[in-house]
Amino acid sequence: NAGVTQTPKFRVLKTGQSMTLLCAQDMNHEYMYWYRQDPGMGLRLIHYSVGEGTTAKGEVPDGYNVSRLKKQNFLLGLESAAPSQTSVYFCASSHSLGRETQYFGPGTRLLVL
Amino acid sequence: KQEVTQIPAALSVPEGENLVLNCSFTDSAIYNLQWFRQDPGKGLTSLLLIQSSQREQTSGRLNASLDKSSGRSTLYIAASQPGDSATYLCAVKYMRGTALIFGKGTTLSVSS
Repeated sequence: NAGVTQTPKFRVLKTGQSMTLLCAQDMNHEYMYWYRQDPGMGLRLIHYSVGEGTTAKGEVPDGYNVSRLKKQNFLLGLESAAPSQTSVYFCASSHSLGRETQYFGPGTRLLVL
Repeated sequence: KQEVTQIPAALSVPEGENLVLNCSFTDSAIYNLQWFRQDPGKGLTSLLLIQSSQREQTSGRLNASLDKSSGRSTLYIAASQPGDSATYLCAVKYMRGTALIFGKGTTLSVSS
């Protein structure tokens, strides 16, 4: 069991560039989440998914899009990166929506210049 | 606004001490509360999950308590070790809303 994996681990972008972060889980979880972690702000939910083909907005969704084409994968896209999106991005998954613990990936560090 | 506050922000103790980390939340209508550990440059590892109907959970040297009426949780670490050095995050699942609401964490340093 690899748990939750994230690709890439680190990336540098220029303002206006686009990229996709990939999250994969092998625990057959229905629910998947994307968070960002910023100094002094804690972790904040960007988008989440309650199952294959469904996504919903979290607390800070602006500037991001997501897709859940396969149950095991959850993609986070930045169409036009901005310096304010410099952050550490964490993916998580869980069996249920809130009743059980969430399992986190190792994170992706993104720097937007 | 639903918030989670952790005090202190940082804590340094010598090896062997027992210590308490504090977490407070603003609304008693919660599903559960979780404590996570985060090592530098790493993801989060779940330590303990307390459902709203429970008062405490224990795992090894860790004990977490929950008092919904006062909006407080504590994480007690017994006989601290240098390997306990990390940031400890408290997260609350409120009944209203979808997201886990995280505190900003307490960074613990245990010196040998």
